[in-house]
Amino acid sequence: SAVISQKPSRDICQRGTSLTIQCQVDSQVTMMFWYRQQPGQSLTLIATANQGSEATYESGFVIDKFPISRPNLTFSTLTVSNMSPEDSSIYLCSVAGLVTGELFFGEGSRLTVL
Amino acid sequence: AQSVTQLDSQVPVFEEAPVELRCNYSSSVSVYLFWYVQYPNQGLQLLLKYLSGSTLVESINGFEAEFNKSQTSFHLRKPSVHISDTAEYFCAVRGPHTPLVFGKGTRLSVIA
Repeated sequence: SAVISQKPSRDICQRGTSLTIQCQVDSQVTMMFWYRQQPGQSLTLIATANQGSEATYESGFVIDKFPISRPNLTFSTLTVSNMSPEDSSIYLCSVAGLVTGELFFGEGSRLTVL
Repeated sequence: AQSVTQLDSQVPVFEEAPVELRCNYSSSVSVYLFWYVQYPNQGLQLLLKYLSGSTLVESINGFEAEFNKSQTSFHLRKPSVHISDTAEYFCAVRGPHTPLVFGKGTRLSVIA
């Protein structure tokens, strides 16, 4: 399994600001995934971060709102732009295992937007 | 595309009693199935998985799940729960070339 570190672990943000979440993995991985878990809800895939190419976004998520960087095989960032209270969620970084793609998750970044 | 239905949003159970958390899926292709656990204020941990072979899979802490293709189910069971099993449990499914799709989760509350 991979060890995944996320920063910040939690933050309180003001409406209209942007916050960048960092994800560091202890091994090289091809694909990294960003999920959102809204309060009391399940996980929803935001996008797949590919090294060396643009991220692939799921329906309902756009690059202007959630820009993603993937500068190398062990690191990715997700920015939540122009935040509103509806963006209050846990944002989770994950990577796929070597066999059949089970996912391993970081501890998550809990954002509260006031 | 795949989808997952967890039939119970909350399951209260007394300590040392058995429990079953239900999960049904839909898919037009073969699938891989997973159960994840999320303890309070923690990230998700893989509990167990079905990839192929034996339809009964087990975790190290006494949980087991059985893949039933005819009923498209992957229910999670434990014969005797502990207080420490209190958590949110997520069933998830993916196809060979599709992202992991999660159910809405079942909150297991173990009562002393």
